[in-house]
Amino acid sequence: DGGITQSPKYLFRKEGQNVTLSCEQNLNHDAMYWYRQDPGQGLRLIYYSQIVNDFQKGDIAEGYSVSREKKESFPLTVTSAQKNPTAFYLCASSRDYGLISGNTIYFGEGSWLTVV
Amino acid sequence: GESVGLHLPTLSVQEGDNSIINCAYSNSASDYFIWYKQESGKGPQFIIDIRSNMDKRQGQRVTVLLNKTVKHLSLQIAATQPGDSAVYFCAENMRNTPLVFGKGTRLSVIA
Repeated sequence: DGGITQSPKYLFRKEGQNVTLSCEQNLNHDAMYWYRQDPGQGLRLIYYSQIVNDFQKGDIAEGYSVSREKKESFPLTVTSAQKNPTAFYLCASSRDYGLISGNTIYFGEGSWLTVV
Repeated sequence: GESVGLHLPTLSVQEGDNSIINCAYSNSASDYFIWYKQESGKGPQFIIDIRSNMDKRQGQRVTVLLNKTVKHLSLQIAATQPGDSAVYFCAENMRNTPLVFGKGTRLSVIA
């Protein structure tokens, strides 16, 4: 099946630890994105990557890091510098960065991160 | 998993009735708009999109209307079913900038 796979679905982090969320897509999409979603809120952009080996900060990049070494993979690391990391994290991809009808953003199923 | 849709505006609709979900967007230069449906604990699913050179687009049981004059977008769902219960987000895009999402509306279908 073609799609976006996020793992793990649920993750618990102790304060002071870094954790990495995995995102893999087999859609041959150039662009990939990470969003954060808090209860009662819309989606906020953390980082995005227009093409392999390139990425840019979104609106709330502080305390997060990413890499894009392979086209199909865009892992997100939540570092200890992120003071309020408990949230639902969504990975997404699009064929390329210029969005038009027929080239839109598709989402994975999300990962829940909880700080304990 | 916990809901991501707490404290959202809620629209309650009787099963079989039509639903209209509204969205005010922020950027008059936005030229592409998308509606997503998000069920509890899942990622958003694409429903329908529309470009700024159109004012209406129809899909299966859904219609999106765009009013650029007042920066308003609406999603109409015909013959609403229990499976339509979810949080609905609009998103706007200006070419070569990231997609911007609204806060969402919870649709609750009463059987």
